[in-house]
Amino acid sequence: AQTVTQSQPEMSVQEAETVTLSCTYDTSENNYYLFWYKQPPSRQMILVIRQEAYKQQNATENRFSVNFQKAAKSFSLKISDSQLGDTAMYFCAFARDDKIIFGKGTRLHILP
Amino acid sequence: DTGVSQDPRHKITKRGQNVTFRCDPISEHNRLYWYRQTLGQGPEFLTYFQNEAQLEKSRLLSDRFSAERPKGSFSTLEIQRTEQGDSAMYLCASSLVGGVSGNTIYFGEGSWLTVV
Repeated sequence: AQTVTQSQPEMSVQEAETVTLSCTYDTSENNYYLFWYKQPPSRQMILVIRQEAYKQQNATENRFSVNFQKAAKSFSLKISDSQLGDTAMYFCAFARDDKIIFGKGTRLHILP
Repeated sequence: DTGVSQDPRHKITKRGQNVTFRCDPISEHNRLYWYRQTLGQGPEFLTYFQNEAQLEKSRLLSDRFSAERPKGSFSTLEIQRTEQGDSAMYLCASSLVGGVSGNTIYFGEGSWLTVV
C-alpha cells in the first residue's frame, strides 16, 4: 500500500525567507503523480504544484518549486520569498490511477 | 461552474440522527471523491466514483455510511445513526481522468459535521 510521510508537523519562518517542507512516500509503482496542496485556515484546499513521476525535471510554479528524487522517494516543496499569505497547512499527496493518498500535513507559519 | 460545491457547509446534529451531504463536482469531471478530515489531520479517503459507478470504498466507510452518484453528476453522502466519532469535515473532490490535468483533483470547501 502507498503511504505518504510528512515528518515536520509544524514550521515557522520569517517573511521573505525560504522554507523547505519535506515529504517521503512509499510505492512499488513506476508511474504516478505527486502533489502539494495548501489549506489555509478555515478555507478550501487548493493545489500548489504537481509532478509527474516520469518527468525528471522538477516542477516550478512561481515561488514554489519541488525537489523530486524518485529513487529516494522524496518530494520536498521549497517556498521562496515567503509571504504572510503562505501561512497554511500543506499536504503532500500521492496519486496513481484511483484515489489520492495524503500525508498528515505540515502547519506552516509565516511570521511578520 | 467555477468549482466543486458542497451543501450544507455546516451541520449540527444529535447523536442517532441521519444526515446527508451533497456534492456538485466540476462539470464534465468523471471522477468524484469523498474524503474525511479531522482537525490537524490530512484527508482520509472514503470512497470514489467513476461516473455513476462506485469503484472503491475505504474500510473507514462503515455500513452506516452510504454514498451515491445516481446520474454520474452530483453525489450524496448519507450517515445513518450518527455517532460523536463521525464529527469531522467531509470533503468532496472531483477530477477529469485522462484529461490534461492528469490526476489532479479539485476540492470543495467541505461540509463540517458536529454530532452532539
